[in-house]
Amino acid sequence: LAKTTQPISMDSYEGQEVNITCSHNNIATNDYITWYQQFPSQGPRFIIQGYKTKVTNEVASLFIPADRKSSTLSLPRVSLSDTAVYYCLVGGTGGFKTIFGAGTRLFVKA
Amino acid sequence: NAGVTQTPKFRILKIGQSMTLQCTQDMNHNYMYWYRQDPGMGLKLIYYSVGAGITDKGEVPNGYNVSRSTTEDFPLRLELAAPSQTSVYFCASSLPGQGPNTEAFFGQGTRLTVV
Repeated sequence: LAKTTQPISMDSYEGQEVNITCSHNNIATNDYITWYQQFPSQGPRFIIQGYKTKVTNEVASLFIPADRKSSTLSLPRVSLSDTAVYYCLVGGTGGFKTIFGAGTRLFVKA
Repeated sequence: NAGVTQTPKFRILKIGQSMTLQCTQDMNHNYMYWYRQDPGMGLKLIYYSVGAGITDKGEVPNGYNVSRSTTEDFPLRLELAAPSQTSVYFCASSLPGQGPNTEAFFGQGTRLTVV
């Protein structure tokens, strides 16, 4: 299983773009990268998934360099409601073991 | 479309008591998971199942048991509750494999306190 490393916490202000980077040096050739968001007292929810280059949806963008040893989740113009914990997973969520790390706690200030 | 449903939402147990946390999903997902989340921490995988009749241990299985008699249901059993099992428990389900449409769907959690 590919181990991931993320910053423990980040602070931002409303309206700013936030980039959260995840390192996964031993990612396997067929591994996807998936990001989840968790609000207090709720279960995590899927944000975005990618394999290479760039993926964008209505919530976020995911940038993956050619070597795929890291990935960056980009949240455009964050608001207070984006305060949450963000988890990076490598290896897909249908695998035999879906392991979550500690995640990155994002605090968005007014 | 209910997704993943967990019951109960809250429960207080006395040390040594037993209980079953219920989880059901209506998405016909093969894979199901149980996690626990202690305050301020990430999720720890307790048990998972790849289909009816097949279960396996995760990172922290001690003190818990599971069964999977149907695709829809994946109950988690605590036999002798201990204070260390005070936590929030999340059930999740997904399709197998990687790539599009294999993301995990989570229930709203069960907050368990053992006193």
